[in-house]
Amino acid sequence: DAGVTQSPTHLIKTRGQQVTLRCSPKSGHDTVSWYQQALGQGPQFIFQYYEEEERQRGNFPDRFSGHQFPNYSSELNVNALLLGDSALYLCASSWGGQGETQYFGPGTRLLVL
Amino acid sequence: AQSVTQLDSQVPVFEEAPVELRCNYSSSVSVYLFWYVQYPNQGLQLLLKYLSGSTLVKGINGFEAEFNKSQTSFHLRKPSVHISDTAEYFCAVTLSPGGQNFVFGPGTRLSVLP
Repeated sequence: DAGVTQSPTHLIKTRGQQVTLRCSPKSGHDTVSWYQQALGQGPQFIFQYYEEEERQRGNFPDRFSGHQFPNYSSELNVNALLLGDSALYLCASSWGGQGETQYFGPGTRLLVL
Repeated sequence: AQSVTQLDSQVPVFEEAPVELRCNYSSSVSVYLFWYVQYPNQGLQLLLKYLSGSTLVKGINGFEAEFNKSQTSFHLRKPSVHISDTAEYFCAVTLSPGGQNFVFGPGTRLSVLP
């Protein structure tokens, strides 16, 4: 049973560029949440996708957007990258939005130069 | 809004000694509580969770936590730690166990010394 997978594992971008991160949820899960974890800090909730729609959003600007596909996989897009966007981006999946447990992927480490 | 405090940013402890990692939360309504562990260069792994019922929750790797509503705490304990327990530990709260708007604490770095 494959767990949550994310790609790429590492990414280097320059300021002003755009980036797309990808996530495949654990088998049987239909809900995907995205988190940003800055160095030395706890993860911060970006948004959650369920039934291909953004259901809830944390305190992040509109530069952060996402998408969920019919197969439940998801993308996180960040436009106009800033140095402060450098972080580990974590994807977590659960079932039905009422799932008791989120399972996290290994993350994508983004470095903005 | 909910918030989580982990007062100890770093906890060094010798191997086979007991350890307690502290977590306090703030919320005006009932919450669900979680502890996650993060090993270097990895994602988060669920250690244990409190949703309802018994206030003493047992998790993986010999960890347990006790929910104390009056003190708004959810401290994590292990009676005897191993070198392999060295990691970052995060406490988290949410109003919805389905993952909407989890709020994580800043983390506690547990270092187990030989």
